[in-house]
Amino acid sequence: EVQLVESGGGLVQPGRSLKLSCAASGFTFSNYYMAWVRQAPKKGLEWVATISTSGSRTYYPDSVKGRFTISRDNAKSSLYLQMNSLKSEDTATYYCARHGVNDYLDYWGQGVMVTVSS
Amino acid sequence: DIQMTQSPASLSASLGETVTIECRASEDIYNGLAWYQQKPGKSPQLLIYNANSLHTGVPSRFSGSGSGTQYSLKINSLQSEDVASYFCQQYYNYPLTFGSGTKLEIK
Repeated sequence: EVQLVESGGGLVQPGRSLKLSCAASGFTFSNYYMAWVRQAPKKGLEWVATISTSGSRTYYPDSVKGRFTISRDNAKSSLYLQMNSLKSEDTATYYCARHGVNDYLDYWGQGVMVTVSS
Repeated sequence: DIQMTQSPASLSASLGETVTIECRASEDIYNGLAWYQQKPGKSPQLLIYNANSLHTGVPSRFSGSGSGTQYSLKINSLQSEDVASYFCQQYYNYPLTFGSGTKLEIK
């Protein structure tokens, strides 16, 4: 069974940093692109980052480019999201997700809440 | 960026009815479209990919269709467990973009 378990969320002040983690199990982690998607309270879904199988290629929307960094450790079956210079508009539930054969997202974690507030 | 316009924003239907949710892309996405279901308080779950392929374990009352810029999700014989928000997503091009969602309730 595919399982994705996020951790590392919490309350952080604007301008500070936070690192999210996602522990994967139930599949060969190194064979799949992985992603982070967020959802602000009572809002829709926003794709945040994608990383290739080896980690050599990463993709971001303009809203987080230069502030967020996605990375992975295939030996630990783990995905990460380093978030710097956080803003109030980054407040959201962050989901770890697995990319399918194409760029749809076939499995999602339960999510972790990040609140950016002074 | 490809914009995804989803309609309606909310929908109320009776048990056993058939409902349809639409998604329009701002340019041709060549069937690079997925549909997700998000039940209250839960994470999104994949229903449909490649516009019309059913994900593993998804009931056959869900179906997807469309091409070019116009796509739809149909739910036959609406069940109480179908109460959820539904989102479309294009993956033809980066950045990946989602529709704004449709909230489905039982009348």
